[in-house]
Amino acid sequence: QVTLKESGPALVKSTQTLTLTCTFSGFSLSTTGMRVSWIRQPPGKALEWLARIDWDDDKFYSTSLKTRLTISKDTSKNQVVLTMANMDPVDTATYYCARDYYYESSAYYLWDYWGQGTLVTVSS
Amino acid sequence: DIQMTQSPSSLSASVRDRVTITCRASQSISRHLNWYQQQPGKAPKLLIYAASSLQSGVPSRFSGSGSGTDFTLTISTLQPEDFATYYCQQSYTSRPTFGGGTKVEIK
Repeated sequence: QVTLKESGPALVKSTQTLTLTCTFSGFSLSTTGMRVSWIRQPPGKALEWLARIDWDDDKFYSTSLKTRLTISKDTSKNQVVLTMANMDPVDTATYYCARDYYYESSAYYLWDYWGQGTLVTVSS
Repeated sequence: DIQMTQSPSSLSASVRDRVTITCRASQSISRHLNWYQQQPGKAPKLLIYAASSLQSGVPSRFSGSGSGTDFTLTISTLQPEDFATYYCQQSYTSRPTFGGGTKVEIK
């Protein structure tokens, strides 16, 4: 059974650095074709992809946020960590982690499992 | 980055109505288009992948079509549990992007 769960502070102050952890089970990030992304959603607004880390440690970042983001993985702990520097009230959002995996049968990466999300509020 | 534009942003419909949502990409994404359903306070749920493939466990009243830049999600017979917000997402590039969402409300 695949599960993902986000954890981190519910409240941070402006200019602080946010550290979020995605702890997952039911799969390994060392498996070829496995990837984990972070996505956020401000209250009442649309989804925004932030960053991704792949099984081979390739990393990809949102063009608009890349100077503030760092993504890393700890395969032994089944965790992916996202840090976001210089937080601002506009960064208030629910932050999700999700896995996408290459299914040979479909010849496609499926974004098939998401965490429940964690709400982060940034105070000024 | 590829921009994804959904329309309409919201719609009102009745149970058993046929509903169509469109999504347009700012450049060709072949068939690398996914559709998600999001209920209030919940994580998105994958409905359709690769433009027209139904994710396991998703009712057959959901269908997708399109390729290149223009895509459509259709709900053939709207059910009470389908009132939600729907998002398209391109996974053609290494930096996926989402549409702005379509909220399907009860008329």
